[in-house]
Amino acid sequence: QQQVKQSPQSLIVQKGGISIINCAYENTAFDYFPWYQQFPGKGPALLIAIRPDVSEKKEGRFTISFNKSAKQFSLHIMDSQPGDSATYFCAADPNYGGATNKLIFGTGTLLAVQP
Amino acid sequence: DSGVTQTPKHLITATGQRVTLRCSPRSGDLSVYWYQQSLDQGLQFLIHYYNGEERAKGNILERFSAQQFPDLHSELNLSSLELGDSALYFCASSAWVGNSPLHFGNGTRLTVT
Repeated sequence: QQQVKQSPQSLIVQKGGISIINCAYENTAFDYFPWYQQFPGKGPALLIAIRPDVSEKKEGRFTISFNKSAKQFSLHIMDSQPGDSATYFCAADPNYGGATNKLIFGTGTLLAVQP
Repeated sequence: DSGVTQTPKHLITATGQRVTLRCSPRSGDLSVYWYQQSLDQGLQFLIHYYNGEERAKGNILERFSAQQFPDLHSELNLSSLELGDSALYFCASSAWVGNSPLHFGNGTRLTVT
């Protein structure tokens, strides 16, 4: 299955709160899981990425948690700020042995952080 | 700024017409990817070129074609346009392949009337 299922579709969080976005996949060939952030009128920008050999990766206020057995991964945004309001996409990359970088994107989560 | 330049930003055209979207990758990046973003389909991979050669095809219609030139810029050609082709078209580039970060441009918004 070449799909990545993302939830929730939208999320409202108070300033200072924790935003959590979840993704699930079926294809065990996926071996690279990036998260992208997109602001209106802009292209997606890489936020953070993880490989399945680690269970967690943290960069500043952003953390990816990865559960290989459950085939799920999630993005946690700590101390959410109004400037974090954007659409977030999870993605997965099948292992083509380095031949290509064919990301499969989730459907996106529109995050609104209220001041 | 990602360093990826896409032109034009907006394009309005009629059904049946043909358009060309242009992408200049980041300096030094050899790979160019094209993605389509629409409300019903989300972000869909269309095609990947590496150093002038086609590497992979995704959900790209036969009416669409692309190429990457010796100076590494790329063009996406859309022909016999239909209303359903209205979408945002993104170009992305990366330095190499094999899970390297993609850097997206700001897209070309195509409206077919």
